[in-house]
Amino acid sequence: GAGVSQSPSNKVTEKGKDVELRCDPISGHTALYWYRQSLGQGLEFLIYFQGNSAPDKSGLPSDRFSAERTGGSVSTLTIQRTQQEDSAVYLCASSSLGLLRTDTQYFGPGTRLTVL
Amino acid sequence: GENVEQHPSTLSVQEGDSAVIKCTYSDSASNYFPWYKQELGKRPQLIIDIRSNVGEKKDQRIAVTLNKTAKHFSLHITETQPEDSAVYFCAANRGSTLGRLYFGRGTQLTVWP
Repeated sequence: GAGVSQSPSNKVTEKGKDVELRCDPISGHTALYWYRQSLGQGLEFLIYFQGNSAPDKSGLPSDRFSAERTGGSVSTLTIQRTQQEDSAVYLCASSSLGLLRTDTQYFGPGTRLTVL
Repeated sequence: GENVEQHPSTLSVQEGDSAVIKCTYSDSASNYFPWYKQELGKRPQLIIDIRSNVGEKKDQRIAVTLNKTAKHFSLHITETQPEDSAVYFCAANRGSTLGRLYFGRGTQLTVWP
């Protein structure tokens, strides 16, 4: 079946502008995660949604970052008043959290954000 | 929260040699340990995982070992090939937090032909 998809694949914006990044998880997956990966760096956790529970926002770097997940499916990550240090690849992942409660996370292709 | 340390940060081996990457974790309640491979410009992909009820798991040239007492786990790649060159990330869950994974900083593996 279809994997995790993200759009746009690339986004170039000017400093100070707002951007929205979209993630479509695998159908039926209850958990959705956002990560940030700067060039040559590791995976920085941003936020985690699980079903109808309150999201774990502990990784969001500032109040300019927010995310929502509508209808338990599609998620949007919004960055307000973008700064150059926001330039990175933003990765989304989803998992089913089935009976074992620790299922595999499947990653999307990412959105490469460049802030000029 | 969970703290996952990964070593080495870079590893170079000759084709055909073995490569070993090691990770330690801090939460004794962790019970799921996946390894991801990320090729340049690609998304991370799961290559192998292990749960805490087993000590070793193999899949062809790849194996993972887990020592719960010492709280460390390792990735072993035998008969390395140039296409194994990538960044490898280990991860661990945390017993009290459903689903979320804590990632190591990654190991850049280069296999020279």
